[in-house]
Amino acid sequence: EVQLVESGGGLVQPGRSLRLSCAASGFTFDDYAMHWVRQAPGKGLEWVSGISWNSGSIGYADSVKGRFTISRDNAKNSLYLQMNSLRAEDTALYYCAKGTLRAGYFDYWGQGTLVTVSS
Amino acid sequence: SYVLTQPPSVSVAPGQTARITCGGNNIGSKSVHWYQQKPGQAPVLVVYDDSDRPSGIPERFSGSNSGNTATLTISRVEAGDEADYYCQVWDSSSDPRGVFGGGTKLTVL
Repeated sequence: EVQLVESGGGLVQPGRSLRLSCAASGFTFDDYAMHWVRQAPGKGLEWVSGISWNSGSIGYADSVKGRFTISRDNAKNSLYLQMNSLRAEDTALYYCAKGTLRAGYFDYWGQGTLVTVSS
Repeated sequence: SYVLTQPPSVSVAPGQTARITCGGNNIGSKSVHWYQQKPGQAPVLVVYDDSDRPSGIPERFSGSNSGNTATLTISRVEAGDEADYYCQVWDSSSDPRGVFGGGTKLTVL
């Protein structure tokens, strides 16, 4: 059974940093791209960032480019999101999502970790 | 950047057919994927590659894609289908990225 468990969320002041983690199990982690998708309270889904199986291809939404860094550790079956210079508009539930062998969609999602940016 | 447009809401009576549209420039040339999200839950993939269903998704869920509009069709709607539905594509431009529609709230009357 595929499981994705996010952690690391919390309350943080504007301008500070936070690191999210996603622990994956139930599939061959280093075969698949992985992604972060967020959802602000009461709003829709927004793709944040994605990383290929070997970290050779990485992408970011314009809204986080230059502030967020995605990474993965295949030996630990883990995905990360380093979030710097956080803003109030980054407040959201952050989901870890598994990509597919062929790029394009997200077939499994974690339950999310909540990030609240507020003074 | 690529934009996907969905109606904010769709209402349907139980047993009827719900159709949720997703508009985008020449979206028919892209693969469209659909997610269902119930309150307090993570999204669930219900249709991928325009019209394929993951295992465990009822045959009542189907999809189509042509021209500038993709459509998720839910036949014989049940109360349990009430949820938010999101379309999504992968924009394989010079800066590849995921793109979601704004979401459609399906209400079962």
